[in-house]
Amino acid sequence: KAGVTQTPRYLIKTRGQQVTLSCSPISGHRSVSWYQQTPGQGLQFLFEYFSETQRNKGNFPGRFSGRQFSNSRSEMNVSTLELGDSALYLCASSMNWGPQETQYFGPGTRLLVL
Amino acid sequence: DAKTTQPNSMESNEEEPVHLPCNHSTISGTDYIHWYRQLPSQGPEYVIHGLTSNVNNRMASLAIAEDRKSSTLILHRATLRDAAVYYCILLKTSYDKVIFGPGTSLSVIP
Repeated sequence: KAGVTQTPRYLIKTRGQQVTLSCSPISGHRSVSWYQQTPGQGLQFLFEYFSETQRNKGNFPGRFSGRQFSNSRSEMNVSTLELGDSALYLCASSMNWGPQETQYFGPGTRLLVL
Repeated sequence: DAKTTQPNSMESNEEEPVHLPCNHSTISGTDYIHWYRQLPSQGPEYVIHGLTSNVNNRMASLAIAEDRKSSTLILHRATLRDAAVYYCILLKTSYDKVIFGPGTSLSVIP
């Protein structure tokens, strides 16, 4: 079974631009979560989607948004990019929603904001 | 928010067992204890999880204290490929946001 895939793997943007990142979960998985990882803040939870509905949201500004499609694929969008948004963005999928579920992470998209 | 405390770093000799501790004194009765690890330049990888009883899988064992306020991830024979940052996290039944702490950076010495 193919793992979680994320595109693009690397991205360079300038301040003020917006960016869309894509995540394809493992086949059959219905939950997708997004995380931001930086050297200073570590791994931080952004949001989680299950069956096209946002179930949980972390403490990030409204510039960060996401959505999930009927095939469980997910996108996250960051508008008005800031230098501090430079990070590794990780997507994880799980079969269902809940604290007992195992999350499978993708390789991440590395975003550099200049 | 349910928080965990782990040592910043640990060292182990290759082919020896490694015990990675995690304190979670604020754990609630229905919180699940999960362990993930992250190898350099990769996304985190699931290791093991449990609720109350000790758990074993092909990668590791999870020993959970009787009062559930601490747990220990046991790698039975460390290999160089086990060098990673290990995260212990709690997931609540209400399943709000997932909180990763700084984790334990494990070095394996040949």
